[in-house]
This record gives sequence, C-alpha cells and structure tokens, in this order.
Amino acid sequence: QSALTQPRSVSGSPGHSVTISCTGTSSDIGVYNYVSWYQQHPGKVPKVMIYDVNKRPSGVPDRFSGSKSGNTASLTISGLQAEDEADYYCCAYVGSFTLMFGGGTKLTVL
Amino acid sequence: QVQLVQSGAEVKRPGASVKVSCKASGYSFTGYFIHWVRQAPGQGLEWLGWINPNTGVTSYAYTQHFQGRVALTRDTSISTAFLDLTRLRSDDTAVYYCARDQGLLPAAIYAFDIWGQGTMVTVSS
Repeated sequence: QSALTQPRSVSGSPGHSVTISCTGTSSDIGVYNYVSWYQQHPGKVPKVMIYDVNKRPSGVPDRFSGSKSGNTASLTISGLQAEDEADYYCCAYVGSFTLMFGGGTKLTVL
Repeated sequence: QVQLVQSGAEVKRPGASVKVSCKASGYSFTGYFIHWVRQAPGQGLEWLGWINPNTGVTSYAYTQHFQGRVALTRDTSISTAFLDLTRLRSDDTAVYYCARDQGLLPAAIYAFDIWGQGTMVTVSS
C-alpha cells in the first residue's frame, strides 16, 4: 500500500486561512469517502476534527472544513487562531478493511 | 461518561511480549469497533488494526513490521479490548492508543471519536 502524503509543515497568520493536503491514490482516497482529520497538541491525545471527508463532529468550530478532489483530501482552517497550532493527521480507508494515516503536518500560527 | 481507560506503562526487554488493555465504559462495548493506533516518540500516528467486539473479527495493517506479531482480542464480560504484541523490538517503543470507531455497528465510519489516554511501551535492554 502507498503512503498518504501530507506537507511536513504549513503556517499562517491569525485570522487567515490555511489548507493541509493529504494525497493518496485512485485505490484509496480516490474511491472511498472514509477520510478523517485529527488535531494533536503536544503531549495530548488526538482529536477528530473531520470525518467522512467533510463532516464535522459536534463541538468542532465551523472554521474547520474538509473536502476531496480526485486522490487528494484537504483540511481548511479559516480564521486561524493561536490555539489551532498543532499537528494534523489525515486518515483514510485504503481498502480490505484497513486504514492508513498520513505522515502529519505541523501547523504554525505566526 | 463515554470513555476508554488503558492499562499503565510497560517496560520490556527485546524479544518479550506485552499486553495492553482498554476498558470501555458509558456505552455498549459490542456496538462499536475498537481500533489500535501507536505513536513512536516524536513520530506520527500509525494505525495497527481493529476488532469488532461483538464478533471478535479483526483486521490488521498490512505492514511487514507487524506480520504475525500483533493480536487483537476482547472480553465482552468486562468490556475490555486487548492488544498483544510479541517478539518486541526497540522500534516498538511507542505510545499505544485504543480508539472507538465513530460508527454504530454494522455501519463503521472508520473515524475515531473516543480515545484512550495512551499506554507507553518502552522496549530496552
């Protein structure tokens, strides 16, 4: 199975928007809509921010949104806040009842 | 409240085995997959597998690193899932998490809404 590719780091200024990509293949992200995104602050347990490509669990601010185009899923954070600084991981169903995480992206709020 | 509580930290020698437990409370244990995820120090998240607590059916990551070394089981009488990892290596040193699938069975969603607190497993001679 191929890896899910995320940028190692992204940055943005408070109030601005950033997008984190997660690139898979036509055998995983390209065909299945089981894509989720997790936020992890240092030393903390991951927290789900988006599931099923673009659904937001209750309690997650609507500044967080998800989308998919072809083999690439994306997480967009608008109106950046200092508290958004964290690591972000995508996770996708890759067939045969298995999942895979992306390598993770460190978001820095400038 | 809905929660998963894991067993405590472990220190093991290379070649030994470890069993990590994950006790569910506040919901129907047999109604949701339990996934296992690990995170080596300073590294990213790695999905290991899931177990259907109702049937005991499992699925594991296709990683040569784990072939034949990992087993997921459960005991429904105590609402607890277990991760067994054998023939430990130094690169198995990591925090191991259990996490509940968000979807009520039979409709798994393959997203994790409730996480255990993590169990640090250190493999060192």
